[in-house]
Formats: sequence, C-alpha cells, structure tokens
Amino acid sequence: EPEVTQTPSHQVTQMGQEVILRCVPISNHLYFYWYRQILGQKVEFLVSFYNNEISEKSEIFDDQFSVERPDGSNFTLKIRSTKLEDSAMYFCASIQTGVEQYFGPGTRLTVT
Amino acid sequence: AQKITQTQPGMFVQEKEAVTLDCTYDTSDPSYGLFWYKQPSSGEMIFLIYQGSYDQQNATEGRYSLNFQKARKSANLVISASQLGDSAMYFCAVTPPKPISSGSARQLTFGSGTQLTVLP
Repeated sequence: EPEVTQTPSHQVTQMGQEVILRCVPISNHLYFYWYRQILGQKVEFLVSFYNNEISEKSEIFDDQFSVERPDGSNFTLKIRSTKLEDSAMYFCASIQTGVEQYFGPGTRLTVT
Repeated sequence: AQKITQTQPGMFVQEKEAVTLDCTYDTSDPSYGLFWYKQPSSGEMIFLIYQGSYDQQNATEGRYSLNFQKARKSANLVISASQLGDSAMYFCAVTPPKPISSGSARQLTFGSGTQLTVLP
C-alpha cells in the first residue's frame, strides 16, 4: 500500500539555524499538508498546498516558514531561523480526492 | 472557525469491554466531515473512521463505530471488544468537506485527545 514518507525521523538543530523537513506524498495525491504537534499537545494545522501554491495557512505559519514542491515528488517545509518553541513533531499529509488524509510518520524536531 | 472538544484526557477500559470516547464539535459550516485518528506511543497518526455530516447512518469500521448525534454536535467513538493494542491517544477532528475542485484545502482541526489505556 502506498504511503507518505518523511525524512529525517529526528532532527536536532541549534536555535537560529535553518532546517528543511522533507516529505514524499503519495504519488497521485493532489493536496499536501503540514501539521505540527508540540509534545503532549494536539495536532495543529500549519499549511496546505495545492496546484503548486499555498491554498491556506494558519497563524502559526509566519514568515519564518515556507513550503515548496521542488521536483513534483518532494514536499518540503523550511524553517528559516528556528526558535526553541519550534520543537515539535511535524507531520506531512496528503489527499487525492477522497476524505482520508494520509499522514506520514512525522519528523521530530528538537531545537536546542 | 471550527472547534473540537474532547473532555476526557484519560480513559481506562478492561480488555474485551467496549469504551466510548467523547467528542463534541462546533462549526458554522453547513456541511463538514468528522474523523477519528489513533496515535500510538510510536507517534504516527492512524486514520480510524470518517462520518460526513449528511450521512444518514453512523459510520462503522470493524470494531470502531461513530455515534453521530448531529443535533447535539457530538461524534463519539465507540471501540468494541477492546484489545491491549488499542492503548493509544485518540484524536477527534473536523474538516469542511468541500469539493476538491473548489480549491478548498480541507485542513483538519483536531481536539486535544483522549489517552486510552486498556487493562489486561
């Protein structure tokens, strides 16, 4: 069964550094999402991406965040200058035309 | 804006018994979708069940069923015959089920979750 993959599984970075989280959505899917889950808290929507552009974003998704689909398969989330409060699990998800969003296994980002 | 409330931070159930996890929602959208996801300790998000707001019957998927009461704006998850492997965090979520062709993103809004522990 096709699945969403994410790399790396765990990323440790120093405050102020740039990080890029990578996702490979399911190949025929059309919508792509990033969500964030701070440890022990609920999953929060960050951004959705459709037709090579952002379709919606939350208040969390400020100028420090950007997304890109550089080559038709990868879907990346970049944080330009990480802060301690960016430490969280980041989930990528994708959907074709049905209702179920397929989630990746997540990347745990630790900012020190 | 959409909001999901899960009032049970933790629940315990004896193996082989049924358990109900509560979820209430608030949305101004005339149509919407309701989801339940399971998150085991390993961290991944596993889709369990979906209910559309205009679906006439309650959704069922194996041992999972959704007790949908639209007038009360509740979408409780019922797990029958609990197993030890059901121990996990369970999240309720809502999304507007607008047609993909409209360009709507249909992002999920999650509740705070319920930690279910199945006792042997």
